[in-house]
Amino acid sequence: AQSVTQLDSHVSVSEGTPVLLRCNYSSSYSPSLFWYVQHPNKGLQLLLKYTSAATLVKGINGFEAEFKKSETSFHLTKPSAHMSDAAEYFCVVSEGYGGSQGNLIFGKGTKLSVKP
Amino acid sequence: DTAVSQTPKYLVTQMGNDKSIKCEQNLGHDTMYWYKQDSKKFLKIMFSYNNKELIINETVPNRFSPKSPDKAHLNLHINSLELGDSAVYFCASSPRRRPSSYNEQFFGPGTRLTVL
Repeated sequence: AQSVTQLDSHVSVSEGTPVLLRCNYSSSYSPSLFWYVQHPNKGLQLLLKYTSAATLVKGINGFEAEFKKSETSFHLTKPSAHMSDAAEYFCVVSEGYGGSQGNLIFGKGTKLSVKP
Repeated sequence: DTAVSQTPKYLVTQMGNDKSIKCEQNLGHDTMYWYKQDSKKFLKIMFSYNNKELIINETVPNRFSPKSPDKAHLNLHINSLELGDSAVYFCASSPRRRPSSYNEQFFGPGTRLTVL
């Protein structure tokens, strides 16, 4: 069965410094992976997705993630944090087979705080 | 021009009551979903539904039932509400592409249910 593990429940950075949110996945085949963001009291917005094409995926708002099969990782990065990036971030894998194909399995989330 | 909408945004009710949450998508998507987000922000799939098949997460009590009057709507009915049902419920939809595991999902703004 597929799963994702977000290694940090909370990450705090200063504005203008790089962001790194870590995610490891477990899958018996080539997975589809996503990063979603949830701002306070808001719904979820797709940041980016990986579906077996280029391993470096660029998303919205300057975020990108690199799929590394050897490390089973899909870490989310941004060169320079902005105050508006403060939110909850979810690493997600998609079910690939069977009746549940397409269902999303969420990590437990990483709360990103950005200090001025 | 909201893509996925839910009503109501907030729902406060007494234990034992029956309530419904409505979801509509105007994206022309074929598959719709319901997720539950608990107090620790963890998101878990409850149902996925297209015009052919309903997939139910085995952990969902049968007090919860999705109803789809048409392709654009998937409403969530909850009978005999319990304190543990308090959570934020998200509706989502995705297009029909193959494989379906490639499909990102578009989320509604959420409905915060509080059971007293």
